[in-house]
Amino acid sequence: AQSVTQLDSHVSVSEGTPVLLRCNYSSSYSPSLFWYVQHPNKGLQLLLKYTSAATLVKGINGFEAEFKKSETSFHLTKPSAHMSDAAEYFCVVPLGNTPLVFGKGTRLSVIA
Amino acid sequence: NAGVMQNPRHLVRRRGQEARLRCSPMKGHSHVYWYRQLPEEGLKFMVYLQKENIIDESGMPKERFSAEFPKEGPSILRIQQVVRGDSAAYFCASSPERGTQETQYFGPGTRLLVL
Repeated sequence: AQSVTQLDSHVSVSEGTPVLLRCNYSSSYSPSLFWYVQHPNKGLQLLLKYTSAATLVKGINGFEAEFKKSETSFHLTKPSAHMSDAAEYFCVVPLGNTPLVFGKGTRLSVIA
Repeated sequence: NAGVMQNPRHLVRRRGQEARLRCSPMKGHSHVYWYRQLPEEGLKFMVYLQKENIIDESGMPKERFSAEFPKEGPSILRIQQVVRGDSAAYFCASSPERGTQETQYFGPGTRLLVL
């Protein structure tokens, strides 16, 4: 069965420094993988998705993620954090044909 | 093209009352999903519907919860005789097709508080 593990519940970075949010997945085959972002009291917005076309996926707002099958990882990165990046980030994998399975989320804080 | 719309955004109910949450999918989307987010947790799948059909309700509690997506109008998630443990954010998502490659587009959520 597919599942995802987000290794950090909270990450704090200084503005202008790199961001790394870690995600490991468990699947019997190469899955689709997504990262969603949720700003406080808002809905979820798709950041990027992996669908096996390319292992390095570029998303919105300067974020990207690299699919590493050997490490079963799909970590989210950004070279330089901005204050507006402060939010909750979810690594997501589809279960079967349709429902999404969410990780527990990583709260990103950005310090001025 | 309007996004996924949910109303109300906030709903307060007393224990034992009914809660009705509405979701209008994006234009052209015929697949609707409901998720629940408890405090400090990720979203948990509840139910997947197409027009007039429930496709997968494996995440739905067996009692008090029901969902529909009629031929006309929004999808409705109904919670009867609410209890404090039902307090959560309920998100609706939609997609144009079914499949693991399809992105699900989320609404802003309904935050239910049961007193």
